[in-house]
Order: sequence, then C-alpha cells, then structure tokens
Amino acid sequence: DSGVTQTPKHLITATGQRVTLRCSPRSGDLSVYWYQQSLDQGLQFLIQYYNGEERAKGNILERFSAQQFPDLHSELNLSSLELGDSALYFCASSPGRGDGQPQHFGDGTRLSIL
Amino acid sequence: QKEVEQDPGPLSVPEGAIVSLNCTYSNSAFQYFMWYRQYSRKGPELLMYTYSSGNKEDGRFTAQVDKSSKYISLFIRDSQPSDSATYLCAATPTGGGNKLTFGTGTQLKVEL
Repeated sequence: DSGVTQTPKHLITATGQRVTLRCSPRSGDLSVYWYQQSLDQGLQFLIQYYNGEERAKGNILERFSAQQFPDLHSELNLSSLELGDSALYFCASSPGRGDGQPQHFGDGTRLSIL
Repeated sequence: QKEVEQDPGPLSVPEGAIVSLNCTYSNSAFQYFMWYRQYSRKGPELLMYTYSSGNKEDGRFTAQVDKSSKYISLFIRDSQPSDSATYLCAATPTGGGNKLTFGTGTQLKVEL
C-alpha cells in the first residue's frame, strides 16, 4: 500500500459529460502529480501541485483542470468528455517540490467513456 | 521519437533466471532515473531510484545508469513468479519540475 488514495476506482460515463477524480496524498507529502495511462501513449504527466499551487504542467488538455485544497487532497476535473479520454488516471505524491523526489502512486481511477 | 524508449516485450523467463530490462533515452538533461513495477489493475510501485550514472543494489534488484550511452538497466536475480509484472523506467531532469517521463513498459513473465 503506497498510502496514496484515489477515488472512485471506476467511472463509466458518456461523451460530453464531466467527472471529478479525487486523490489523497501520503501523509506528510505536499506535492501531488496527475498522470494519464493509455494503451497507445503509456504513462503521461498531466500536472503537478505543491502545497496548493500549480508547479508544473504537461500536455494537459484545456478541458481538464485540477486543484489542490488546503488539506492537500487534489481533484482532477475532466469536462466535455470524448471517447479518447478513456484511460487510467493516476495520482502520485512526494514530500516536497524538489527535483528527483521519488513519487509514490495510487491505484488509479479507470475512466470509461461510452 | 519518444524521449524514453523501452522494449514492450513480452519477456518470458524460467524461475531462477537473471532478468535484464533496458531503456534508452534521448534527453541529456535527465539526471534522476527510476524503475517502477506495475501489477495488473494496480498503480506503479517504486522499485529503484538512482541519481546520475552508477549502480544501485537493493536485494535481488540492481539498477544501472550509463549517462554516456544514455542507457538504463534493471537486473533481477533469482527471478520469482511474483516478479511477473510490467516494469517501467522513468526519468526526470534537474529543473524540470519533477515531472516523470516514462518508457512504455516491459511485460515480464516468470514461469515455474
């Protein structure tokens, strides 16, 4: 058990809808990262938050947004969903914001768009 | 071309064999290198972490980084059926915000 908790485990929804994925980092970790894992692209970095502030951004679509709350949990919001958004979404956390800090992953949310 | 390349396998070995898993990368700025293990329907689990070039050993696992050839390796000694999983290499540069760039993963099966 990595200590990173993600909910829900599975989400099934339709095109055009909006969903929210939730992540609670390991106790004491201030940084949260979001990744998308698909069969064709592998694991891709989306966005990082450190202590409530956005720290780094990857190739995150404009339809996607995230935030980190004062209690350090994070939410990833996906809107106007398309079939191609079907993927596994992982959250990871690390203690600080420095380079090379090991990241520990949750077990992901599997998103299926029908 | 992907920044981190990894043979997807699958790789099948008998129990007790020495397994060699490899990645190459193209970004010279990468300084931190990790190996993750991912079981089906689970998240990636951090196995090994190295900084710059060199070797690191932890039990049956040894990670090697050769920055001159941009080559990353993971060796598993005395492989067990429980080692059957997908192995992902990852790297991140200094000053890059700690965002990991992953290889596509190598699927390993250790057979009895």
